Amino acid sequence: DQQVKQNSPSLSVQEGRISILNCDYTNSMFDYFLWYKKYPAEGPTFLISISSIKDKNEDGRFTVFLNKSAKHLSLHIVPSQPGDSAVYFCAASSPGGTSYGKLTFGQGTILTVHP
Amino acid sequence: DVKVTQSSRYLVKRTGEKVFLECVQDMDHENMFWYRQDPGLGLRLIYFSYDVKMKEKGDIPEGYSVSREKKERFSLILESASTNQTSMYLCASSSQPRGYTFGSGTRLTVV
Repeated sequence: DQQVKQNSPSLSVQEGRISILNCDYTNSMFDYFLWYKKYPAEGPTFLISISSIKDKNEDGRFTVFLNKSAKHLSLHIVPSQPGDSAVYFCAASSPGGTSYGKLTFGQGTILTVHP
Repeated sequence: DVKVTQSSRYLVKRTGEKVFLECVQDMDHENMFWYRQDPGLGLRLIYFSYDVKMKEKGDIPEGYSVSREKKERFSLILESASTNQTSMYLCASSSQPRGYTFGSGTRLTVV
């Protein structure tokens, strides 16, 4: 049962345009969401996060939007740069308790930004 | 910065071999995790540990075991490697339930 889903395996955009990566989740207990970026032969690195009490969080060129009623979040990258080409993973966590901070990841979306 | 070090970047092992993947973190984190990454499947949790000598099964523990004898070290063991365990293995650590620091990964090929 895939609780976090990234339905687009890949996305191709032109340099300077907006990249929008989408993520859906099914578990209403998730209260914190994160995006990770992964280059080939490297481990994922944290990009941006958002708490369920917010609907938007912005960090430079990266903005994450959360729509709790739709159980949907998206990552916007503006403007996109060739160096943004990577695999992007959406992840979600439940509040404390026995989860020990366990993150549930989506399948990933390969972003390619063309010069 | 927190550093998570995985002992090998690339490994090639034969079917049936016992394989040890080592992970060390240097920031006194309580929680450590092992994931595998496969195309189209994302990152799937194999095992995690929230304290020394404590472990919990993740979503796909079959064929794997783990060991955490010291807080900084979390080992993943493939008891008898099989070709379907060919994958990228990622270790992560966390001090609180809000995000991980990952190692660089170990690309394991079982032939």
